[in-house]
Amino acid sequence: GAVVSQHPSWVICKSGTSVKIECRSLDFQATTMFWYRQFPKQSLMLMATSNEGSKATYEQGVEKDKFLINHASLTLSTLTVTSAHPEDSSFYICSARDARGKGGNSYEQYFGPGTRLTVT
Amino acid sequence: KQEVTQIPAALSVPEGENLVLNCSFTDSAIYNLQWFRQDPGKGLTSLLLIQSSQREQTSGRLNASLDKSSGRSTLYIAASQPGDSATYLCAVLREGDKIIFGKGTRLHILP
Repeated sequence: GAVVSQHPSWVICKSGTSVKIECRSLDFQATTMFWYRQFPKQSLMLMATSNEGSKATYEQGVEKDKFLINHASLTLSTLTVTSAHPEDSSFYICSARDARGKGGNSYEQYFGPGTRLTVT
Repeated sequence: KQEVTQIPAALSVPEGENLVLNCSFTDSAIYNLQWFRQDPGKGLTSLLLIQSSQREQTSGRLNASLDKSSGRSTLYIAASQPGDSATYLCAVLREGDKIIFGKGTRLHILP
């Protein structure tokens, strides 16, 4: 149980195009999902918190108009990288928190396998 | 501001040895602490989660301890194997569901 999937697992796009990444909780409902970015040999940095039915909360330094987040249902959040540039190339990972406090821990987050974005 | 530090940044040990990875955090107001494993180019695998009220958790050859008052956690790996080679990340969960990650320890087990 508590599986989070991401699609696609990797994507290559041309500079200036937009790319959408999906994050799905497969066997639980997630009122809150999180998007992280990881550059090579660096740790994960939280980009934004996505709440179902409301606007995302972005961390300082993350451009909300560039990284569009939509959390339209309790099992799906999407991250759209708009007008992508080579510096946006990174590993994007999402996580989801079970709305029911699955496993007796209402704070545990479950992570997706990540999406590697390469912008040429 | 919560900061998570992991020492050492990289570690190479011969197969079969026991080893300890260290993690420290600056703000003791955490809900839990979690250790993850990340293989190159892959996502995160959760290893152990320690609630703020707990002092340790064990899973197989892994044992994680938490000393919240001193802001420290250790991950002990017994009888290391080449398959244990990976990057190990320590992360703390604080108010607002925000997880703060350390930079990780890159572990290499020599066959």
